[in-house]
Amino acid sequence: NAGVTQTPKFQVLKTGQSMTLQCAQDMNHNSMYWYRQDPGMGLRLIYYSASEGTTDKGEVPNGYNVSRLNKREFSLRLESAAPSQTSVYFCASRQPNTNTGELFFGEGSRLTVL
Amino acid sequence: RKEVEQDPGPFNVPEGATVAFNCTYSNSASQSFFWYRQDCRKEPKLLMSVYSSGNEDGRFTAQLNRASQYISLLIRDSKLSDSATYLCVVKHGSSNTGKLIFGQGTTLQVKP
Repeated sequence: NAGVTQTPKFQVLKTGQSMTLQCAQDMNHNSMYWYRQDPGMGLRLIYYSASEGTTDKGEVPNGYNVSRLNKREFSLRLESAAPSQTSVYFCASRQPNTNTGELFFGEGSRLTVL
Repeated sequence: RKEVEQDPGPFNVPEGATVAFNCTYSNSASQSFFWYRQDCRKEPKLLMSVYSSGNEDGRFTAQLNRASQYISLLIRDSKLSDSATYLCVVKHGSSNTGKLIFGQGTTLQVKP
């Protein structure tokens, strides 16, 4: 009963390093999302993928790239990490052909950029 | 101006109290509305959808006012376990392609 799985759960990077956050869902959802959460800012949408093969920018896409590798997987890449990207990152997926709006979230990835 | 705005609180209330949160949204084309709950250092989880006619789920009541572009959440008979952050979520676009925008959240602390 995995749901949405994110890796890694914790990561410390130095400024300028690159890394990829991985996300996979086993619920056959069409749509997948990446959010970041900072104190006092709530969750802000970085990128989303409405369906396999498509990606779109959200509210705060600068400094990030995404890949919808297949229906299950949606990765988030930081090419050159900056301290401003220190945050908690959540991946989420959503049921197809419904209007319930229910997002299923992973447990989050806590990233610190020094 | 943020697309979805909430009073961050915190709201400190005694057990048994009734508390209400509001959330305003700026995009009049928004189609769907939701309340999520997030416990400390955990992922958000859906609390309830908000329907045009208003809806109730036990002690929780959600209302939508399209004319004024706000939604509300009312919690009656607050429990200690209601302590959490409540996130307002607004969806644009059709069911499969719309993006979901979160407010910053309202923190509720229920005290004995």
